[in-house]
Amino acid sequence: GQQLNQSPQSMFIQEGEDVSMNCTSSSIFNTWLWYKQEPGEGPVLLIALYKAGELTSNGRLTAQFGITRKDSFLNISASIPSDVGIYFCAGPPETGNNRKLIWGLGTSLAVNP
Amino acid sequence: DGGITQSPKYLFRKEGQNVTLSCEQNLNHDAMYWYRQDPGQGLRLIYYSQIVNDFQKGDIAEGYSVSREKKESFPLTVTSAQKNPTAFYLCASSHLSENSPLHFGNGTRLTVT
Repeated sequence: GQQLNQSPQSMFIQEGEDVSMNCTSSSIFNTWLWYKQEPGEGPVLLIALYKAGELTSNGRLTAQFGITRKDSFLNISASIPSDVGIYFCAGPPETGNNRKLIWGLGTSLAVNP
Repeated sequence: DGGITQSPKYLFRKEGQNVTLSCEQNLNHDAMYWYRQDPGQGLRLIYYSQIVNDFQKGDIAEGYSVSREKKESFPLTVTSAQKNPTAFYLCASSHLSENSPLHFGNGTRLTVT
């Protein structure tokens, strides 16, 4: 089925570094959702974006809804060890069933203290 | 506190046995979902329900069944027909409004041997 392309697939960084990851699609999205999943837990919503060009922050996290509506990025500033996890982007397709979210395969983040 | 509760956290079964995973929410959400998560494959939708006594197949419904007798509860049965049942199962819920994000439970890890 249709998927979102997330990159990078994985990152290994030093504590204190900034992180940037993105999500792209060949089709248009009206909503972008960013989730974080820690090992053995369910995904937790970090940021929801509803308008093209929207820039939203949640603490050290910042996400933007791309102007073309085909991409989004998530930045984490001054990373800390508890940022470790898998970050997923997701969204309902512009056409079709909005109950069936399209999911990226995730960006796995490791932080070296 | 409102939330989604999945139980049990770990479940072990012998091949050929049906097994039912529990999901309860007290968020007053109308929609509930079941996802399967395998390494490297992201989240795949099994079934979803928007109203009591009604549910729809997701992308990988074969070998699974669900019921929605109460708004708060959406149990998933993994039948013996499911060829590769070992996986991490996630339940989620949301409001019905188009942009309402999903809230997830903490998952059940099912191992079938």
